[in-house]
Amino acid sequence: QTVVTQEPSFSVSPGGTVTLTCGLTSGSVSTGHYPSWYQHTPGQAPRTLISGTNIRSSGVPNRFSGSVLGNKAALTITGAQADDESDYYCALYMGGGIWLFGGGTKLSVL
Amino acid sequence: EVHLLESGGGLVQPGGSLRLSCAASGIILSDYATTWVRQAPGKGLEWVSTISNTGRVTHYADSVKGRFTISRDDSKNTLLLQMNSLKAGDTAIYFCANHINWGFGSWGQGALVTV
Repeated sequence: QTVVTQEPSFSVSPGGTVTLTCGLTSGSVSTGHYPSWYQHTPGQAPRTLISGTNIRSSGVPNRFSGSVLGNKAALTITGAQADDESDYYCALYMGGGIWLFGGGTKLSVL
Repeated sequence: EVHLLESGGGLVQPGGSLRLSCAASGIILSDYATTWVRQAPGKGLEWVSTISNTGRVTHYADSVKGRFTISRDDSKNTLLLQMNSLKAGDTAIYFCANHINWGFGSWGQGALVTV
């Protein structure tokens, strides 16, 4: 059974740049998986950051960007701010109407 | 502004049923595919089910297939999730979301289901 992999945790300094990745235990991530990224603080509604690999949602600052790097999808945050500290999830379209989420990355800004 | 509001959550015994609703404003749900996603305590997000914009095509995660039914009431602009034969493992916050740009767009605040 294919699992979507993400780093369990990551830390970045304020003003720094961080790249979170999203892979597959079997095979490579491509644009055909339409990778998307979500920011979620427990107790709140998730917030869509990126969909369709690199389409930034309305109101999302351009310091958030999405791409496919090698065999993984990637979310890059440039100029990290304190309120970027949150959980980040990727989702991949697996075909046949099926979506899979990664386990999430807990990002610390310190 | 798009607003999605889930309701219908609560405490239910194993084997019981619940029906969740997701009322939309600011969008017409039948213009979009719409989805239910859940988050169990201490766990990550899990895709549960999607219904197409036409309402004619539905998809389910293996973990809920045969027990959950997604549907839409277009007269009320509301997404529904009928959950039967509930198990302890179904305990989670359930979020609804519409699809946009090959991803999920707007999200509701969630409804807590405890089995």
